[in-house]
Amino acid sequence: GESVGLHLPTLSVQEGDNSIINCAYSNSASDYFIWYKQESGKGPQFIIDIRSNMDKRQGQRVTVLLNKTVKHLSLQIAATQPGDSAVYFCAEGNNAGNMLTFGGGTRLMVKP
Amino acid sequence: EPEVTQTPSHQVTQMGQEVILRCVPISNHLYFYWYRQILGQKVEFLVSFYNNEISEKSEIFDDQFSVERPDGSNFTLKIRSTKLEDSAMYFCASSEEGYGYTFGSGTRLTVV
Repeated sequence: GESVGLHLPTLSVQEGDNSIINCAYSNSASDYFIWYKQESGKGPQFIIDIRSNMDKRQGQRVTVLLNKTVKHLSLQIAATQPGDSAVYFCAEGNNAGNMLTFGGGTRLMVKP
Repeated sequence: EPEVTQTPSHQVTQMGQEVILRCVPISNHLYFYWYRQILGQKVEFLVSFYNNEISEKSEIFDDQFSVERPDGSNFTLKIRSTKLEDSAMYFCASSEEGYGYTFGSGTRLTVV
């Protein structure tokens, strides 16, 4: 079946560097994409979202890029901090938001 | 900041027993969801609930599962006869308009 997946299971970066976490999706009908951060023992925390009619959206220190041609989604974190260490999930939404399909997650480790 | 509250944080039950997981969604939200995450795996959709009825459910959400909004504040997930493979983190989420979910911190269900 169609699914959302991640290229890299673990990403290790130096504090202060920029991080890029990637995600591939295969359902061309998806019209909404979200990045979540999950810290140990906690639920997914919303970071940023983007609709399919956009290709870029910026938040505070984060940017999401959407390339519909190759069905690719990325999360860029500027000036990565130790508090950014977590597992990051991309998710796709369809059916008017009735459900999200999550990717497998990428663990971001920030070295001081 | 408004939160989705889940209780208990950890539930241990014997195989075959019924469990009820409880959630208090954000008060002005209209859409409610249950997801689960088996240890080390993806977050998986179980069910969405809107206007006092199920709007979408996954293959995981079989006859052993049910949801209820017994009053104006609680949203519950019941598993009638638990199996070992039901052991997972169960996350409740709510949203105002079908997107932009807020997740709770989860209930860890351990079936022994």
